Amino acid sequence: KQEVTQIPAALSVPEGENLVLNCSFTDSAIYNLQWFRQDPGKGLTSLLLIQSSQREQTSGRLNASLDKSSGRSTLYIAASQPGDSATYLCAPNSGNTPLVFGKGTRLSVIA
Amino acid sequence: SAVISQKPSRDICQRGTSLTIQCQVDSQVTMMFWYRQQPGQSLTLIATANQGSEATYESGFVIDKFPISRPNLTFSTLTVSNMSPEDSSIYLCSVERPESSYNEQFFGPGTRLTVL
Repeated sequence: KQEVTQIPAALSVPEGENLVLNCSFTDSAIYNLQWFRQDPGKGLTSLLLIQSSQREQTSGRLNASLDKSSGRSTLYIAASQPGDSATYLCAPNSGNTPLVFGKGTRLSVIA
Repeated sequence: SAVISQKPSRDICQRGTSLTIQCQVDSQVTMMFWYRQQPGQSLTLIATANQGSEATYESGFVIDKFPISRPNLTFSTLTVSNMSPEDSSIYLCSVERPESSYNEQFFGPGTRLTVL
């Protein structure tokens, strides 16, 4: 059974810092991995999908890397802004099974 | 990406009553899912809504408590029956779009339910 761990659970940084969010998963037989953003009380916004054959994927100030064999993914946020404050969730996808979510990293970027 | 809407966006209900949540997608999709997010927790899958057949429930969730309908490829409903305060959660509809990018999943805005 897939288990997902996200570290740190919470993070508070001053505006402008570069930061790294970590995600680890126990079953490396994944099809892809998604990173999501969730604002308080809201739904999830898909940020990046990285395929199992890829090493990294970029979108604007966001860069996600994947080391499938070691069961790790990282989300790098460059030049953080207060608008980046949210909870970030990672979810590996094993193809025929539902997404399994970590508990997320709650990010606060202080102006 | 898929455009997904949910109704209602939030509700406050009395213990013992039922609430039906609607999920509408802007295009036909094969896979639709319902998730629950309890306060301070991550998402837990309730069931997969299957078009034309009974939903597939995850361990710990039963049809009597969470009946689901999927009349077509763009619409689904989730009913939370005989509610108790423990059912207070955000309920989220999700779809998988295989043609979008390797089975990427998209989520609706959620329904925030409070049971008194």
